[in-house]
Amino acid sequence: NAGVTQTPKFRILKIGQSMTLQCAQDMNHNYMYWYRQDPGMGLKLIYYSVGAGITDKGEVPNGYNVSRSTTEDFPLRLELAAPSQTSVYFCASSYRGGRPPYEQYFGPGTRLTVT
Amino acid sequence: EDKVVQSPLSLVVHEGDTVTLNCSYEVTNFRSLLWYKQEKKAPTFLFMLTSSGIEKKSGRLSSILDKKELFSILNITATQTGDSAVYLCAVKISGGGADGLTFGKGTHLIIQP
Repeated sequence: NAGVTQTPKFRILKIGQSMTLQCAQDMNHNYMYWYRQDPGMGLKLIYYSVGAGITDKGEVPNGYNVSRSTTEDFPLRLELAAPSQTSVYFCASSYRGGRPPYEQYFGPGTRLTVT
Repeated sequence: EDKVVQSPLSLVVHEGDTVTLNCSYEVTNFRSLLWYKQEKKAPTFLFMLTSSGIEKKSGRLSSILDKKELFSILNITATQTGDSAVYLCAVKISGGGADGLTFGKGTHLIIQP
């Protein structure tokens, strides 16, 4: 299993540009999440999904959009990039069903700079 | 608003020392508390605690949860330079709303040789 994969690893965007951060998992997990981590801070939840076709907002959803057309993929879209979106983005997944632990597995992260 | 507070924010010790990292929380509908170790990239899972007073142990690392006082500690004994990392505490809530984790800011631990 590759686990959770993210592309790209690094990206520099100009203000106002758009991009999609890709996330895929091959563990047949039903739950997937997007977090951002700013320097010296903990992770903040942007969006999450409990299954294909179902998404919901987290703590900091403004400026982002997601879709979940398959169980495996959960892309995150930035429509009009702003400097405040400079951060490291982590995708995670977990299997929720039956008994815990509902451990989350994280991807390697995408470092995004908006200038 | 759900809150997870870790202390200290940074800590420098010598190899062989024992360290205790703290995590306190104020959340509604607590479900579990998780500890992660983050080195250069993605966090890696250490422990998940759901029951009060039961110690989880893995080698030199151990953790315990106090649901009455709303905190957890992570202990590392006989520290090694490879333990240098940011240690993140996160709380999972149940019920409606976001089903992710609320993270603390982390404790940056540096182990000096």
